[in-house]
Amino acid sequence: DAGVTQSPTHLIKTRGQQVTLRCSPKSGHDTVSWYQQALGQGPQFIFQYYEEEERQRGNFPDRFSGHQFPNYSSELNVNALLLGDSALYLCASTLVIGGTDTQYFGPGTRLTVL
Amino acid sequence: GDSVTQMEGPVTLSEEAFLTINCTYTATGYPSLFWYVQYPGEGLQLLLKATKADDKGSNKGFEATYRKETTSFHLEKGSVQVSDSAVYFCALVISNFGNEKLTFGTGTRLTIIP
Repeated sequence: DAGVTQSPTHLIKTRGQQVTLRCSPKSGHDTVSWYQQALGQGPQFIFQYYEEEERQRGNFPDRFSGHQFPNYSSELNVNALLLGDSALYLCASTLVIGGTDTQYFGPGTRLTVL
Repeated sequence: GDSVTQMEGPVTLSEEAFLTINCTYTATGYPSLFWYVQYPGEGLQLLLKATKADDKGSNKGFEATYRKETTSFHLEKGSVQVSDSAVYFCALVISNFGNEKLTFGTGTRLTIIP
């Protein structure tokens, strides 16, 4: 049973650039959420995708956008990168219909903005 | 809004000591409660969960009981091992068919000394 996978593992960008992070949910899951974890902090909710639509969003600017594909995989895009965007980006998946409220996390993508 | 307050760290214990990490929450509805663990350089792993009052979650010797009257979900283990060294996050979710946004505490870093 494949778990949540994310790519790339690490990424280094410079201020002003754009970045795309990718996530494949756990087998059988249909909902993907993205979280940002700054160093020494707990994860903060960015947004959630279900049926290819953004269903819920946290307190993040429009520079953060996403997409979900028909196979339930997802991308997180960040434009005009700032130094403060340096963090571990975590993807989590769950099953809405007939499932539980448990979210399963991937290993994360470590983004460094210079 | 919903929030989770965790015991400040870091916590350092000797092997075989008793562990308690305190967690209290504030929620507008009836949350499910979780403990996640993060090992160095990795993503989050679900440790245990409880979905209603007086439920006890348990896994790998860890336990936590959902106490509605004190809005708490303290993590305990009777005898810790060096391999338990990690960061522990308490989290809640208000399940509302498609509203599974996790709210995390700031995390407690645990170090076990041989």
